[in-house]
Amino acid sequence: KQEVTQIPAALSVPEGENLVLNCSFTDSAIYNLQWFRQDPGKGLTSLLLIQSSQREQTSGRLNASLDKSSGRSTLYIAASQPGDSATYLCAVLQGAQKLVFGQGTRLTINP
Amino acid sequence: DAGVIQSPRHEVTEMGQEVTLRCKPISGHDYLFWYRQTMMRGLELLIYFNNNVPIDDSGMPEDRFSAKMPNASFSTLKIQPSEPRDSAVYFCASSFRGTSNEQYFGPGTRLTVT
Repeated sequence: KQEVTQIPAALSVPEGENLVLNCSFTDSAIYNLQWFRQDPGKGLTSLLLIQSSQREQTSGRLNASLDKSSGRSTLYIAASQPGDSATYLCAVLQGAQKLVFGQGTRLTINP
Repeated sequence: DAGVIQSPRHEVTEMGQEVTLRCKPISGHDYLFWYRQTMMRGLELLIYFNNNVPIDDSGMPEDRFSAKMPNASFSTLKIQPSEPRDSAVYFCASSFRGTSNEQYFGPGTRLTVT
């Protein structure tokens, strides 16, 4: 059974710092990996999707990497801003369209 | 596109009552998913449809839960009878198999059963 783990569970950093969120998964047989953002009381917003054949994806200040063989992904956020404060969720897509989510990292950027 | 639409956004009901949650997927998407989010268990897939046909309902907690997709633009998740432990946020998501399989989520329905 696929298990997705995100470390740390919570992170608080001062504004302007670069930071890395980690995601690991136990079964490397995945189709893709998605990083989502969830604001309190809101739905999920897709940030980046990495196909299993890709190594990384970039969008603005965000960069996500994927090492399928080791079962790891990282989300790098450059020059963090208070508006980046949210919970970040990692999810892997396994056969037949099943997304398996981690528990998330709650990020706080302090002004 | 308006994105995935869910209604109601909030629902408060008493134990034993029937609850119906609604979802309109993104036009052209051929997959629809129902998820439940709780503090204890995180996000869990309940059921998903492909071209309006239920494919996997192994995540549905028990027979009190049922889901339908009568056409490509509408789905319902029904709980009958509801129980306090059903209190959670229920998300609907949709995707298109032909491209990246990226799933797009609706804003969710926050259900409280008293």
